[in-house]
Amino acid sequence: DTEVTQTPKHLVMGMTNKKSLKCEQHMGHRAMYWYKQKAKKPPELMFVYSYEKLSINESVPSRFSPECPNSSLLNLHLHALQPEDSALYLCASSQRPGTGNTIYFGEGSWLTVV
Amino acid sequence: KQEVTQIPAALSVPEGENLVLNCSFTDSAIYNLQWFRQDPGKGLTSLLLIQSSQREQTSGRLNASLDKSSGRSTLYIAASQPGDSATYLCAVISRGSARQLTFGSGTQLTVLP
Repeated sequence: DTEVTQTPKHLVMGMTNKKSLKCEQHMGHRAMYWYKQKAKKPPELMFVYSYEKLSINESVPSRFSPECPNSSLLNLHLHALQPEDSALYLCASSQRPGTGNTIYFGEGSWLTVV
Repeated sequence: KQEVTQIPAALSVPEGENLVLNCSFTDSAIYNLQWFRQDPGKGLTSLLLIQSSQREQTSGRLNASLDKSSGRSTLYIAASQPGDSATYLCAVISRGSARQLTFGSGTQLTVLP
């Protein structure tokens, strides 16, 4: 099973809402990632969790708040977003960060901020 | 800073043709290179991973090569099919990038029936 599951697939939220994106993997991977992808652009790294600890935060605004409750789950909490935050949010995982491991991506969550 | 370039940005071929997608990177100090496929509105599917010590990897009709010294990789697709239509992204993990992926902008492939 090489599956990373993301929910919801689509989310529409207002600028004052609080919502969360969820990601789950059961491959025993110890590194999990959030990426943001705008139309016709490559994915951009947002956060890296390594062994359930935040190891990289690519200067992402605080209105995005990641959380890793356990080694299988990764959440992205959203609050007071802007319309320009509308994008495809991709979760990924690998056995451990970097080096020789294949990185597996989920199907993504489409976020629209109105 | 590592930069990854993919040429062409878009490619249209008739069904059955063999084709090559190109990827180049500026810093040859990489751990590995990974090719992904992305269908419209979907996530990324890993196709092939080549370690820095390897020259090529094969999976079915796909063959990826790596020439680290020249900073180039190619993805060869044999006997293309309409179902191969997608955007193909290459990404490298560099020794100087905190071991994270640097993506190219992708090649959008259309295989015409």
